[in-house]
Amino acid sequence: QLQLQESGPGLVKASETLSLTCTVSGGSISSSSYYWDWIRQPPGKGLEWVGSIYYTGSTYYNPSLKSRVTISVDTSKNQFSLKLSSVTAADTAVYYCARRTTTVTSDWFDPWGQGTLVTVSS
Amino acid sequence: SSELTQDPAVSVALGQTVRITCQGDSLRSYYPSWYQQKPGQAPVLVIYGKNNRPLGIPDRFSGSNSGNTASLTITGAQAEDEADYYCNSRDSSGNHLEVFGGGTKLTVL
Repeated sequence: QLQLQESGPGLVKASETLSLTCTVSGGSISSSSYYWDWIRQPPGKGLEWVGSIYYTGSTYYNPSLKSRVTISVDTSKNQFSLKLSSVTAADTAVYYCARRTTTVTSDWFDPWGQGTLVTVSS
Repeated sequence: SSELTQDPAVSVALGQTVRITCQGDSLRSYYPSWYQQKPGQAPVLVIYGKNNRPLGIPDRFSGSNSGNTASLTITGAQAEDEADYYCNSRDSSGNHLEVFGGGTKLTVL
């Protein structure tokens, strides 16, 4: 059974860079069938797609975050990572990693990691 | 980029049928996926593709689509179905960008 687990600091200072890693177990991140995504959720608010990476290194980012986001993959460790620069209080959120399946007519996220809360402090 | 619109809140009497809707231009081209999220938990996929349920999701959950509107229907809602529900679709650009609806809070009375 595939599992994803987020890890990283729970507290980041404003203007600094948020860094998180998602470790994939029970399956290979190098599978050609899937993309690997980051999704976040500010406290009490809805879900926001952050970005995605394919095992080859191709990346796709939310246009609203594109200038500050970098997603990378380490296939040797079966991990992918998120870096978000110049953070502000608005970046305080639970950050989830998830596997995305893509077909011609639909995409879906399954499974998800348990999520990790990152708080930006001033 | 695309947007997906959901009603903020919907209620249903125990055992009755409820429909949660999601509107957006991207739905004319792509089927949405639907997620259930209970407090303090990660979202769980309940419907994907045309109308597919992952293993373990009860058959009272179903999905449908018409034009720019997609619906998640719960037939015979149970107390444990009370949760937030989110729709998701590929952006209408088709360039591997994704968008979520704002979510619907379902209350089972």
